[in-house]
Amino acid sequence: AQTVTQSQPEMSVQEAETVTLSCTYDTSESDYYLFWYKQPPSRQMILVIRQEAYKQQNATENRFSVNFQKAAKSFSLKISDSQLGDAAMYFCAYRSGYYGGSQGNLIFGKGTKLSVKP
Amino acid sequence: KAGVTQTPRYLIKTRGQQVTLSCSPISGHRSVSWYQQTPGQGLQFLFEYFSETQRNKGNFPGRFSGRQFSNSRSEMNVSTLELGDSALYLCASSLGASGNSHLYEQYFGPGTRLTVT
Repeated sequence: AQTVTQSQPEMSVQEAETVTLSCTYDTSESDYYLFWYKQPPSRQMILVIRQEAYKQQNATENRFSVNFQKAAKSFSLKISDSQLGDAAMYFCAYRSGYYGGSQGNLIFGKGTKLSVKP
Repeated sequence: KAGVTQTPRYLIKTRGQQVTLSCSPISGHRSVSWYQQTPGQGLQFLFEYFSETQRNKGNFPGRFSGRQFSNSRSEMNVSTLELGDSALYLCASSLGASGNSHLYEQYFGPGTRLTVT
């Protein structure tokens, strides 16, 4: 079974600075996707960034980028130029890439609560 | 395009009662997944429906059930409510078609906060 681990329950960053959230996962599958979701206090889960396991290049979305280390099964999220609106719970999630199996099933880590200090 | 909607947003029920939650996916999306979020257990997958069929199921008791209608709207039902069922229930929709895994990208609704007293 696949597992996702986020070892940092809480993190804090100063506004305009950079912060990195950690995530490790365990799987025996070769085809999978990894995601970072953001859940602000309003509770609406928002997709931040996606990484396909078969792509070596790290995904980037504006101020958000990932460091995907497939051999180490590590998938960290870097937030640059942090803004007050980045304060939220961040969840790392895994999804199988095999059709017909558990593709409708996201496996989540426990989350990291990010605070942004003005 | 309208996002995923869930109704009701808040619900208070008594132990032993049953409850039905509703989810309307993004237009054109055929897959709906349900998740339970609690402080202790985090986010846990309940089940996924695609084209009115349950395609995948998480490790929850039979009290939790769901269904999907021909317009892709989905409902989940919890019978004989227990205090531990108090949670935020999230629904997510995706295109869910075969062949291209990108089409499985999930978009979440705002959730239904269920409190069992």
